[in-house]
Amino acid sequence: DIQMTQSPSSLSASVGDRVTITCRASQSISDYLNWYQQKPGKAPKLLIYAASSLPSGVPSRFSGSASGTDFTLTISSLQPEDFATYYCQQTYSNPDTFGQGTKLEIK
Amino acid sequence: EVQLLESGGGLVQPGGSLRLSCAASGFTFSSYAMSWVRQAPGKGLEWVSVISGSGAGTYYADSVKGRFTVSRDNSKNTLYLQMNSLRAEDTAVYHCAPRETTRRRALDPWGQGTLVTVSS
Repeated sequence: DIQMTQSPSSLSASVGDRVTITCRASQSISDYLNWYQQKPGKAPKLLIYAASSLPSGVPSRFSGSASGTDFTLTISSLQPEDFATYYCQQTYSNPDTFGQGTKLEIK
Repeated sequence: EVQLLESGGGLVQPGGSLRLSCAASGFTFSSYAMSWVRQAPGKGLEWVSVISGSGAGTYYADSVKGRFTVSRDNSKNTLYLQMNSLRAEDTAVYHCAPRETTRRRALDPWGQGTLVTVSS
């Protein structure tokens, strides 16, 4: 199985900050990497697919990038509604696997 | 608008069984593979199973293989998860989601989930 190592596990930041979350795959997954946002008591929401593509409706302050087996989610300027937990997911091969999650909290 | 409504969760004793359902609408159900993903209380996301659009292909996480069976009825636009030999560690909210082939198999959108509690 492909392991996804996500870091950090938690992060404190302020409104307006630039934030970066990283996910590393244990082997090559091409660009089969997706990011989800989950708020308390809610279902996860797709944020980025194919490493760097934004679904319609996702604000442009969110971006994704890839370098080999390292993937990055960046929020350029944190907004109050962005405080949530973020997960990466590889869908290159079964079983799909998720990172451990990053809880983004208000400083 | 795509809608997914899971049901069938509840309290069950260890060793018991439950069948979850996921009623889908707003898209061509038979054209999409469907996944189940669970989340134990206070924990992260764990992928459980996937079934192809036709139902011919299925895949399971090792943690549920041999105990859970995924199926679908395309005439009813409904996905199922039959869970047998349930264990305490199966306690979680179970979500269903279509797998978007054109989006690197991303799951979008997700249902709100149904809670399964395995306890005596």
